[in-house]
Amino acid sequence: AQKITQTQPGMFVQEKEAVTLDCTYDTSDPSYGLFWYKQPSSGEMIFLIYQGSYDQQNATEGRYSLNFQKARKSANLVISASQLGDSAMYFCAMREATTGNQFYFGTGTSLTVIP
Amino acid sequence: NAGVTQTPKFRILKIGQSMTLQCAQDMNHNYMYWYRQDPGMGLKLIYYSVGAGITDKGEVPNGYNVSRSTTEDFPLRLELAAPSQTSVYFCASNGRGGGETQYFGPGTRLLVL
Repeated sequence: AQKITQTQPGMFVQEKEAVTLDCTYDTSDPSYGLFWYKQPSSGEMIFLIYQGSYDQQNATEGRYSLNFQKARKSANLVISASQLGDSAMYFCAMREATTGNQFYFGTGTSLTVIP
Repeated sequence: NAGVTQTPKFRILKIGQSMTLQCAQDMNHNYMYWYRQDPGMGLKLIYYSVGAGITDKGEVPNGYNVSRSTTEDFPLRLELAAPSQTSVYFCASNGRGGGETQYFGPGTRLLVL
């Protein structure tokens, strides 16, 4: 079974609007971390936001927030007030405490911001 | 602070040639990884290491070898290059803590002709 599932291959959003990128995960480990990365067309991987499985509140970092629904095993990324520079691939990833060696990545969502 | 560095940035290989992709980090991270990313796809783990002298296979190890003689360096060796190894290769590292993100190098773009 896939550890991380991103079901939206491509998304479009109007500039200044908010957008939600979906991510669901599969783990039986009670302790884990969830991460989102951005990969612009230039190719580098940029860390955006982190959510721990025991965190009571949803993580926020500037215009990025993580909508963490533990019972549903979802960790959706919300980008508010989209900007043209947000156009990129976005990857969701998970790291489990028991197998802390590896990060499991989703297949990514391509976001295009329309002016 | 250099973070994770990779060399070369770009390389063209002929089928059957070999090469080593270099990766170094200056953050004293125990964990280091090699991924490949094919066009329009996600990351696939090739090899990883949890410390000097310890390496393990990831999802797609065939055709590659690694070594980890120091904490800082984690080179990836391609033996007998094949067109299927045309890809972008990323090296990454992170510390032990569960909340520690992976830091990525800038990538090496490899073309095998």
